[in-house]
Amino acid sequence: GENVEQHPSTLSVQEGDSAVIKCTYSDSASNYFPWYKQELGKRPQLIIDIRSNVGEKKDQRIAVTLNKTAKHFSLHITETQPEDSAVYFCAARTPGGGNKLTFGTGTQLKVEL
Amino acid sequence: EAQVTQNPRYLITVTGKKLTVTCSQNMNHEYMSWYRQDPGLGLRQIYYSMNVEVTDKGDVPEGYKVSRKEKRNFPLILESPSPNQTSLYFCASSLSGLQYYGYTFGSGTRLTVV
Repeated sequence: GENVEQHPSTLSVQEGDSAVIKCTYSDSASNYFPWYKQELGKRPQLIIDIRSNVGEKKDQRIAVTLNKTAKHFSLHITETQPEDSAVYFCAARTPGGGNKLTFGTGTQLKVEL
Repeated sequence: EAQVTQNPRYLITVTGKKLTVTCSQNMNHEYMSWYRQDPGLGLRQIYYSMNVEVTDKGDVPEGYKVSRKEKRNFPLILESPSPNQTSLYFCASSLSGLQYYGYTFGSGTRLTVV
């Protein structure tokens, strides 16, 4: 089955700096890659997603890039703010299991003042 | 308001005592799924359902059961809970079909089995 690896597991940045979280996936048939943000004690919430026919997508301060050849995708957050502090999960959708998402193990992002 | 509702939010139970965690969505989503979240392991799929009366195992189905008698409801059943099922559980739903979408998650159920 699909395997998604996520790095780093923890990331600390200064407010205003950029943060990058990277994920790799194993199944070349995977075709949809969402990113979720989970604040402490809350549910994961979708923040951005990308489909396999697109190389990059941007939404204000966040962007996602996809390299299908290398089977990796990344989340980029610019001008980080304290409210960006959370756990971020990447995921990959694999055909054949309905709409199954396989998740990475998460990155704890801390934005320091 | 479009949402996925899980109950209860917190549950402490004893080994072997059957329990059910309910999940209901009001978005007419075909696809529903249960995940468990454990530190360092991320979110792992327990069971999923592509539509009414259609369910299938995910990656960690042992010790769990589900049913999908109605489109909106997808309860998770632990027939004989054990301490290794202590975890944070999330129900999720989405549209399905040729276009695929991210999940909408419920608020989570923190289960402790003693």
